[in-house]
Amino acid sequence: DAGVIQSPRHEVTEMGQEVTLRCKPISGHDYLFWYRQTMMRGLELLIYFNNNVPIDDSGMPEDRFSAKMPNASFSTLKIQPSEPRDSAVYFCASGSGGTWEQYFGPGTRLTVT
Amino acid sequence: QKEVEQNSGPLSVPEGAIASLNCTYSDRGSQSFFWYRQYSGKSPELIMFIYSNGDKEDGRFTAQLNKASQYVSLLIRDSQPSDSATYLCAVIIETSYDKVIFGPGTSLSVIP
Repeated sequence: DAGVIQSPRHEVTEMGQEVTLRCKPISGHDYLFWYRQTMMRGLELLIYFNNNVPIDDSGMPEDRFSAKMPNASFSTLKIQPSEPRDSAVYFCASGSGGTWEQYFGPGTRLTVT
Repeated sequence: QKEVEQNSGPLSVPEGAIASLNCTYSDRGSQSFFWYRQYSGKSPELIMFIYSNGDKEDGRFTAQLNKASQYVSLLIRDSQPSDSATYLCAVIIETSYDKVIFGPGTSLSVIP
């Protein structure tokens, strides 16, 4: 079985540019989570979806961040405009049945210069 | 007080010993608890979950939950160098909607 797929794996961009991160959850999973991980702040939940509907976006740092899930097999996390403090590893995870057992993708390492 | 706390470590144990990792949480209503292992440069990997007070064993891993004292621990028996990683505790906070909070992680080093 394919696990959670994220793209790109690495992204280097300049401040002010738009960044789009992509995620394909495990087939059949009805929960999708976006996280950000930094040394200073650890692993932070940004937003999660259930059946493509955003449930909790209280972790989204500000209006520059937006996330969508147009269908059960695809989600995006967009940052516009990007800033150096957005540099982090962004993980997507999926799960099923509301058990909160989550399976993480490989992550996208974002560097904003 | 932070919602989920862990000793950052590093915790060093000799090969073959028992490694004990602890996690405390502030929300008394929390019902679900998870342990994830994260190797350097990799993504977190679920290794254990526990919902009820007491112990839950899976191979060399034992999760212990004490809701009255608000702590959950992970014991790794017969520690191996391959167990060297950061261990993240995750707690589900139950409000109007559920929310997961991860602890900062404990770095474990198993010395051959």
